[in-house]
Amino acid sequence: AQSVTQPDIHITVSEGASLELRCNYSYGATPYLFWYVQSPGQGLQLLLKYFSGDTLVQGIKGFEAEFKRSQSSFNLRKPSVHWSDAAEYFCAVGTYNTDKLIFGTGTRLQVFP
Amino acid sequence: SAVISQKPSRDICQRGTSLTIQCQVDSQVTMMFWYRQQPGQSLTLIATANQGSEATYESGFVIDKFPISRPNLTFSTLTVSNMSPEDSSIYLCSVVVTSDTGELFFGEGSRLTVL
Repeated sequence: AQSVTQPDIHITVSEGASLELRCNYSYGATPYLFWYVQSPGQGLQLLLKYFSGDTLVQGIKGFEAEFKRSQSSFNLRKPSVHWSDAAEYFCAVGTYNTDKLIFGTGTRLQVFP
Repeated sequence: SAVISQKPSRDICQRGTSLTIQCQVDSQVTMMFWYRQQPGQSLTLIATANQGSEATYESGFVIDKFPISRPNLTFSTLTVSNMSPEDSSIYLCSVVVTSDTGELFFGEGSRLTVL
């Protein structure tokens, strides 16, 4: 069965610092991988997605993520965090033959000025 | 992309009552889903809303508690029946616009508080 693990429940960084949010998945074939962001009181917004091809994907708001099959990981990165990046981040995995997504438990990002 | 409108955006309800949440999409979509996000938790899929037929429920969710309608390709409703405080959650409608990518678009959610 598919599953997604986000090991970090809460991360705090200073504005301008680099960021890496971890995501590990479990799935027997090549998964579809997504990162979503949820700002307080808002719905979820797609940051980026991986289906195939280049394992380094670029997303919105300066985010990128790298698919590493050998590590079953899809970590999200940003070189310089802005205060407006404070939010909850969810990693999700899907498969080709279904549109259902399985979400991780989320990582709450706090940014200090 | 798709623009998804949910109503109500929030509500406070009494134990034992029922509430229907509406989801309207600005274009025809192939797949519509309902998710629940309990306080401080991740998203859990409740069911797939099927156009013209009964919804497909995930393990742990039943039609009597969460009846769903989808009369056409742009609209769906989720009812939370006989509510208890444990039903206090954000309920999110989501859609897939392009079925070969599985990319989900979400509404802003309906925050339900049951007293």
